[in-house]
Amino acid sequence: ETGVTQSPTHLIKTRGQQVTLRCSSQSGHNTVSWYQQALGQGPQFIFQYYREEENGRGNFPPRFSGLQFPNYSSELNVNALELDDSALYLCASSLTGNYGYTFGSGTRLTVV
Amino acid sequence: SQQGEEDPQALSIQEGENATMNCSYKTSINNLQWYRQNSGRGLVHLILIRSNEREKHSGRLRVTLDTSKKSSSLLITASRAADTASYFCATGSNFGNEKLTFGTGTRLTIIP
Repeated sequence: ETGVTQSPTHLIKTRGQQVTLRCSSQSGHNTVSWYQQALGQGPQFIFQYYREEENGRGNFPPRFSGLQFPNYSSELNVNALELDDSALYLCASSLTGNYGYTFGSGTRLTVV
Repeated sequence: SQQGEEDPQALSIQEGENATMNCSYKTSINNLQWYRQNSGRGLVHLILIRSNEREKHSGRLRVTLDTSKKSSSLLITASRAADTASYFCATGSNFGNEKLTFGTGTRLTIIP
């Protein structure tokens, strides 16, 4: 049974650019959630995808968007990057009806 | 926004001692979960306790929940150096798929 895989591990972008982060969910899991964790803080919910549809969203602007693919993998896209977007982005997968979440190791995004 | 606050923010104890961390939250919950995070990487699910439960055990972990006080505690017995990590509580509002609202975390250091 594979875990959650995120890529890339680290990324440096310039303010105003766009970025795409990727997540492969754990085998058998059909739901993917994305979280943003600023340094020294707890993770904050961005959104969740189930059956390729957004299934809940946190307090993040529309420039944060996502996709879920038929194989349940997912992407997080952030447009018009701002310095405050610098954070660890975590992907978590789960199976419908099961509240055990498996987190990936995260992507460390630095915006300069 | 953060749902809960962990207390203390940082804790250092000798190996073999017990470590207790507390979490307070603000709104009604369906369940409360504890996660561990090593060195700012991915989160590892430790234990989940439902709102109708008062205590739960898993190996060296013991979790209590007091919904009247909106608080929970995590006890790690016979601590080991490998327990050094940040610990987060997270509340869920619904069974199954839901967003998790994390606290600010407790940084635990086990001194060999």
